Amino acid sequence: SQQGEEDPQALSIQEGENATMNCSYKTSINNLQWYRQNSGRGLVHLILIRSNEREKHSGRLRVTLDTSKKSSSLLITASRAADTASYFCARGSGYSTLTFGKGTMLLVSP
Amino acid sequence: NAGVTQTPKFQVLKTGQSMTLQCAQDMNHNSMYWYRQDPGMGLRLIYYSASEGTTDKGEVPNGYNVSRLNKREFSLRLESAAPSQTSVYFCASSTSGSSYEQYFGPGTRLTVT
Repeated sequence: SQQGEEDPQALSIQEGENATMNCSYKTSINNLQWYRQNSGRGLVHLILIRSNEREKHSGRLRVTLDTSKKSSSLLITASRAADTASYFCARGSGYSTLTFGKGTMLLVSP
Repeated sequence: NAGVTQTPKFQVLKTGQSMTLQCAQDMNHNSMYWYRQDPGMGLRLIYYSASEGTTDKGEVPNGYNVSRLNKREFSLRLESAAPSQTSVYFCASSTSGSSYEQYFGPGTRLTVT
């Protein structure tokens, strides 16, 4: 079963606004990763946060991890139309594999 | 440096036909993966190869077989296609295991009629 679940399922905002997506999981993790998927394309890795980290930044992206609540959030600041995509969290718990959630569809309108 | 390549991009099969999806990476990665993506289901792992010479089942392996041909190539075979296997298939690779980011191919859109 899928262990990483994103919330909300869909999000619609205006350019310049911030977008926040959440991910919850059920079992312990080694790391949590966020990916972006543009329509009809493969997934692209955005950021990886390890279980002993609480916050990580990459450009306009900010990821937080709360292992006590088994949750993570992805914040995209000053959104652009080009940020329109689906965003997935992926939980790394074992050695070899990731478990992906169902994703959040983000629509950024000009 | 092409990253992860997949062939074909599109395929239509009739029920019962067989086919092999090809995947290759040029990043010298040890681990390779096959996923399927269905609407509203996210990505589900079919099979993976943690290193050359090993393969293991993922979440949804039934109806599929895989071959890690060498370090670069990892193929997925449908022996007798069924309509339930209509999906978009993605191959991915990583340096080694789940502690590293995965790099994805562009996908194969498969329709089984």
